[in-house]
Amino acid sequence: NAGVTQTPKFRILKIGQSMTLQCTQDMNHNYMYWYRQDPGMGLKLIYYSVGAGITDKGEVPNGYNVSRSTTEDFPLRLELAAPSQTSVYFCASSPLYRGGLRVVNSPLHFGNGTRLTVT
Amino acid sequence: DAKTTQPPSMDCAEGRAANLPCNHSTISGNEYVYWYRQIHSQGPQYIIHGLKNNETNEMASLIITEDRKSSTLILPHATLRDTAVYYCISHTGNQFYFGTGTSLTVIP
Repeated sequence: NAGVTQTPKFRILKIGQSMTLQCTQDMNHNYMYWYRQDPGMGLKLIYYSVGAGITDKGEVPNGYNVSRSTTEDFPLRLELAAPSQTSVYFCASSPLYRGGLRVVNSPLHFGNGTRLTVT
Repeated sequence: DAKTTQPPSMDCAEGRAANLPCNHSTISGNEYVYWYRQIHSQGPQYIIHGLKNNETNEMASLIITEDRKSSTLILPHATLRDTAVYYCISHTGNQFYFGTGTSLTVIP
């Protein structure tokens, strides 16, 4: 398994531009998450999804949109990039089921991040 | 989800045990405590988790107090590669919330 794959690794945007950060996982995990991490800070939850067609806001959803049309993919969309969105973005996933049984608690599997600069 | 608090930084001598504390005084009965670490700017790496019993795996041990208001992550023999930011988070349901963590520096 490749695990959680994020693309691109780096991106520079101008103010007002839009872009989509891609995240895909090949572990058949139901849960997927987007976090952002500002320099010297912890991770803040942007959006999460408990399965295809279902998404919910986290702590800092403003300025972002997500969709979950398949189990594998959970793209994060920035419509009008602002300097405040300069950050490292991490995607993560976790399973709902393991071995046919529902998992009550399971750790997150993270991608390697996308470093975004908005100037 | 319970808020967790950790010291911002700690040092540990190489080869010694590193004991990283975490307070989670508002944790509820069904909230697990998870520990992750982040090396440089890589994605966080899962270490261990527990509910109320102490846990041990190949990476670390987790000691949770009887009242569940605090826990300690123990790295039994710290190496230079254990230098990282360590996050203690509580989790129930669908959401994990990270704080700012403890920056552990292992000193040769």
